[in-house]
Amino acid sequence: RKEVEQDPGPFNVPEGATVAFNCTYSNSASQSFFWYRQDCRKEPKLLMSVYSSGNEDGRFTAQLNRASQYISLLIRDSKLSDSATYLCVVTIQGAQKLVFGQGTRLTINP
Amino acid sequence: DGGITQSPKYLFRKEGQNVTLSCEQNLNHDAMYWYRQDPGQGLRLIYYSHIVNDFQKGDIAEGYSVSREKKESFPLTVTSAQKNPTAFYLCASSIGYPPPKNYGYTFGSGTRLTVV
Repeated sequence: RKEVEQDPGPFNVPEGATVAFNCTYSNSASQSFFWYRQDCRKEPKLLMSVYSSGNEDGRFTAQLNRASQYISLLIRDSKLSDSATYLCVVTIQGAQKLVFGQGTRLTINP
Repeated sequence: DGGITQSPKYLFRKEGQNVTLSCEQNLNHDAMYWYRQDPGQGLRLIYYSHIVNDFQKGDIAEGYSVSREKKESFPLTVTSAQKNPTAFYLCASSIGYPPPKNYGYTFGSGTRLTVV
């Protein structure tokens, strides 16, 4: 079983729609959680950290469910510029590294 | 502005050659990492270093080597022993491990290596 799993998509949604991604992780000792965004042929960039209580940054909302070992990302009122691959990332206690999911590809259509 | 610089952006390697990818940061970060990304795949950890003069193998270290003689620099050598080196190579750094909330890793813009 992969340490971090995501639905690879692709997700194709119309502009203005709400879209949600889930990510599951296998190690219950996972400590910190992040969502990264990666544009085509570019480096990943930090979108937001994920806090236990859930957190929001503008149109983006991240949630963490430790009991079920998943995190989610919700994008409201999607824009064309939101088209990218979204990477779920966790740190694992004692593993000294970040572990990346394979990413979920999102395309926003006009 | 502080950041991570990777060079070259594109690199072509002949069979049997060793090549070295450069990674330099001026963020004063202690930890540095090398990842490899294949098309449609996630990032896989090659090597990491949390302090100068110390580094550890990641999940796919075979055929690669690194050094960390200076805090700012973490070059990656792709040796001829790496049988399938064509990929997108990303260098990253963080203040420490685990990376603080709201910081995570900072990535360089990557090097695309192609075997010809």
